[in-house]
Amino acid sequence: EPEVTQTPSHQVTQMGQEVILRCVPISNHLYFYWYRQILGQKVEFLVSFYNNEISEKSEIFDDQFSVERPDGSNFTLKIRSTKLEDSAMYFCATTTGISSDTQYFGPGTRLTVL
Amino acid sequence: QQQVKQSPQSLIVQKGGISIINCAYENTAFDYFPWYQQFPGKGPALLIAIRPDVSEKKEGRFTISFNKSAKQFSLHIMDSQPGDSATYFCAASLDSGTYKYIFGTGTRLKVLA
Repeated sequence: EPEVTQTPSHQVTQMGQEVILRCVPISNHLYFYWYRQILGQKVEFLVSFYNNEISEKSEIFDDQFSVERPDGSNFTLKIRSTKLEDSAMYFCATTTGISSDTQYFGPGTRLTVL
Repeated sequence: QQQVKQSPQSLIVQKGGISIINCAYENTAFDYFPWYQQFPGKGPALLIAIRPDVSEKKEGRFTISFNKSAKQFSLHIMDSQPGDSATYFCAASLDSGTYKYIFGTGTRLKVLA
């Protein structure tokens, strides 16, 4: 069964540093998402991406965050200057986008900001 | 109006028992209601999903009951097993726009052997 993959599985960084989280979506999927889950809390929507542009973003997704699909396969989330409160699991999800449909989640990247 | 409220926060069930998790929503435009199962350190995995045109959907030991008029839906796990111990999230999605998911707050289920 096709799956979403994410790298790295765990990223430790110093506050103020830039991080890039990577996702490889399922090949025929058109919509891509980033969600965040702070330890023990619910999964929160960050941003959706379709046709090489942001479709929607939440209030969490401020100017420190950016997304892109640099090479047609990877889908990346960049945090320019990490803060302690950015420590969380970051999940990439993808869907065909034909209608509201199953989103397939990757295994996540655990980001720890020291 | 975009919230999905989930209860209980945690649940302990004996092996073989029935686990019931409830969710409620306000936005009647939601069109897709998946349930996800999450084990520690893993991403959410789709368990079962329903659309509002049916009142119940069953897959193996897992059943979603959907009450459109009450704007509520619930997950029933029959014959609960220790391997079902996980966190369960309900979610809702609009059948338009970006299809983003609004997640409930999660229910931590523990099934005792």
